[in-house]
Amino acid sequence: DAKTTQPPSMDCAEGRAANLPCNHSTISGNEYVYWYRQIHSQGPQYIIHGLKNNETNEMASLIITEDRKSSTLILPHATLRDTAVYYCIVSLSGSGSARQLTFGSGTQLTVLP
Amino acid sequence: DAGVIQSPRHEVTEMGQEVTLRCKPISGHDYLFWYRQTMMRGLELLIYFNNNVPIDDSGMPEDRFSAKMPNASFSTLKIQPSEPRDSAVYFCASSLTGSGANVLTFGAGSRLTVL
Repeated sequence: DAKTTQPPSMDCAEGRAANLPCNHSTISGNEYVYWYRQIHSQGPQYIIHGLKNNETNEMASLIITEDRKSSTLILPHATLRDTAVYYCIVSLSGSGSARQLTFGSGTQLTVLP
Repeated sequence: DAGVIQSPRHEVTEMGQEVTLRCKPISGHDYLFWYRQTMMRGLELLIYFNNNVPIDDSGMPEDRFSAKMPNASFSTLKIQPSEPRDSAVYFCASSLTGSGANVLTFGAGSRLTVL
């Protein structure tokens, strides 16, 4: 699986959009980008995933560049409860089979009041 | 659905003792994963099952660790004998074949302390 690079930490003001970048320059054509987060002392939580197109759900938006070498997770209106470590993961997900998800060190997002 | 259920939530034991961690996946999910998290190594995949069959156990650290899934609704991770370096939070997760195969739902974790 392709390696990802994320900034170790970011701050965001409450109510503002949080934009979390991820670099995955070695991604292959059939690898998906997944985002998970882990709030302190809890298990990781799935947020969103995508292949090529931008994706949006009730939690966040995922913007993938045209060359697929980087992506941005957007939390449109960050709240204090969004303070967590955010993991960007690249993984194959073909034929409906699960693949190993390798969690790196992620980005610690702190939402400030 | 109650989600992925793990027990015990906290376990404190002495070196050399046997430890058994338990997991009940989400009903209908056919994948089950065991992860371990430490400050030093982060989240590591230990083993995962598909339809109760172990698919990849390359992350199991050594023979002291074993995992079983006797049926679709139950899995155990056993450490025998335990050592202080096994102290960690152990997470179980489950998912469903198809577009959601890598959409894992994690349990709350079992925090293990080996003295």
